[in-house]
Amino acid sequence: DAGVIQSPRHEVTEMGQEVTLRCKPISGHNSLFWYRQTMMRGLELLIYFNNNVPIDDSGMPEDRFSAKMPNASFSTLKIQPSEPRDSAVYFCASSSQGAPNTGELFFGEGSRLTVL
Amino acid sequence: GDSVTQMEGPVTLSEEAFLTINCTYTATGYPSLFWYVQYPGEGLQLLLKATKADDKGSNKGFEATYRKETTSFHLEKGSVQVSDSAVYFCALHNTDKLIFGTGTRLQVFP
Repeated sequence: DAGVIQSPRHEVTEMGQEVTLRCKPISGHNSLFWYRQTMMRGLELLIYFNNNVPIDDSGMPEDRFSAKMPNASFSTLKIQPSEPRDSAVYFCASSSQGAPNTGELFFGEGSRLTVL
Repeated sequence: GDSVTQMEGPVTLSEEAFLTINCTYTATGYPSLFWYVQYPGEGLQLLLKATKADDKGSNKGFEATYRKETTSFHLEKGSVQVSDSAVYFCALHNTDKLIFGTGTRLQVFP
């Protein structure tokens, strides 16, 4: 079975450039989450969607970050313009919300972003 | 607000040693509790869970018991292996959010 698929796995870019990270959730899952992981801050929830609708984006650091989910099988996280402090591993996760699955997230392998 | 506190790592053990990673939480209501594991270069994956007080979650030899009286969910394993080396995250789910602890790195040496 295909898990959560993220691309690219690695991205190196220069400050000021636009970065787009992509995620394909597990088929049938109705919730999608974007997390950022750094050594300093650990795992931070950026935004999550339920049935393609953004529910909580309070974790999005600033206006440079935006996320979309145009359909149930695809989501993007965009950073424009990127800055060195955005360097991190970005994880996408999906779940089938509702008991007994509540809280059980399936993570992709992550996109490692380096902004020079 | 809700939060999870984990013991700081790294935890360094020899193979076949006993493992405990402490986790305590603060939450209103009745959260569900989880342990996730992250192997090098991979995303997190669910290790075990418990949904109510006194429940014990178990998987791959790991166990954790939901203790409401001490607000704890400590992870234990009787005999660790080198392949258990990873980062372990305690998490709680309350209302609509999954809140993670900072993670504890476990290193097991042969």
